[in-house]
This record gives sequence, structure tokens and C-alpha cells, in this order.
Amino acid sequence: DVVMTQSPLSLPVTLGQPASISCRSSQSLVSNDGNTYLNWFQQRPGHSPRRLIYQVSNRDSGVPDRFSGSGSGTDFTLRISSVEAEDVGFYYCMQGIHWPLFTFGPGTKVSIK
Amino acid sequence: EVRLVESGGGLVKPGESLRLSCELFGFPFAPAWLSWVRLAPGKGLEWVGRSKSKSSGGGLDYAPSVKDRFTISRDDSKNTMFLQMNSLKIEDTAVYYCATDPFWPDGDFWGQGTQVIVST
Repeated sequence: DVVMTQSPLSLPVTLGQPASISCRSSQSLVSNDGNTYLNWFQQRPGHSPRRLIYQVSNRDSGVPDRFSGSGSGTDFTLRISSVEAEDVGFYYCMQGIHWPLFTFGPGTKVSIK
Repeated sequence: EVRLVESGGGLVKPGESLRLSCELFGFPFAPAWLSWVRLAPGKGLEWVGRSKSKSSGGGLDYAPSVKDRFTISRDDSKNTMFLQMNSLKIEDTAVYYCATDPFWPDGDFWGQGTQVIVST
């Protein structure tokens, strides 16, 4: 089974400063169709999860452009260019190629210093 | 506006059953691929299962932790997906969300979640 890891698991950030979360999979997430099936999700306190980024770097509609995704193969990164108070919450990467079908990483807790 | 609305959560004892519903508004239900995802207390997000549309073969997939205990079904005439949960365990305690397929490029939609508590 594929294993997803994230680092750090806790990320205190100063408002206005950048933040970066790393996600690593135990197997390549590149599909035979050439696409890479790695998404990023955010769950803010008291809210349902929402997808921020799909297929590595495609930002969802309504997601602020301070969020960006990059990476390839087994190593991926979510960046927040300038953290705002509303960004507090948990961030999860998720793969969609290997069994179990959709595997989330353990989550990274972003907080304000 | 696309909305997903879950219902059916509650408090049950270990070994009992519960059926959750997820109704889709604002988008054609028949072609929709939908998933169940849960968030247990103190844990991270966990994918539970997925239902493909009938036109895509109607396949059902389950996480290993719920396979053989949980069953997903759908009623296209009612725009509703169901999650039948049998032989519930304390570790099934979580908020259960339904959501559109995580890799659907045309959008991402989640319900508000429904709480399931399994306790003696």
C-alpha cells in the first residue's frame, strides 16, 4: 500500500510570512495517462474540508493565489506566499492512484505564532 | 449552486447499524462520482468509500478499514447516495462527509458533515 508522509506536522507561522508544507509518497503518483494524482486539502476549524489544489498545481476556483502547489513523482510542496489569519487549520495531501484508492497524508497543523 | 447535504448520524452502540444519506442539489446526480470521507476525533481525514456513476460502470470502492462492514448505494431518482454502516466499532466514531470526486477538475464540493458516535 502507498504511504503518504508530510512535514512538518506542526507549522507555527508569523502573519505575512511564507509557509511551506512537504508531502512525500512511497510510490510515484504519475499515472499511465501522464497525469499526477496529488491533491491538497484544507480544513479550517469548524468548516468542512475543501480542495485547494488538484493534480499537483491546479488551483481550485475561489482559492486565493497565495496558495500554490508544485512537485513531481513522489515529492510535492504546498506553499502559502503570505500567511493570513484565515489560513489557520490543517492541510492534507492526498493521492489518487495507488491502493487504498484515496490516501491522505497525516496532516499539517498551521497556526499563528 | 451545488450543495451536498448529509443526514442520518447519531449515537449508537458497538455492533449496531446506521445509514447515512447524502443528497446532491444543483447538479445532475446521475453522472456524479461521490465519496465518503470521515474525520475522527484527534485524527486526520480518512477516505471511506466511493461510488462511480452508473454510466461509468457503477463501481464501488472501500477503504480496508470499512470493507465488508460498510456498503455504499445510490438512488439516482432521489439524487441521494447512502452509506450503510453495519457492525459499528468505537473507532468508527467520526464526522462523516460526502464529497464530489477528489480529482474532478470541474469543482470540489463537500457536505456539512454528520456526526456518528459509537459508544457503550
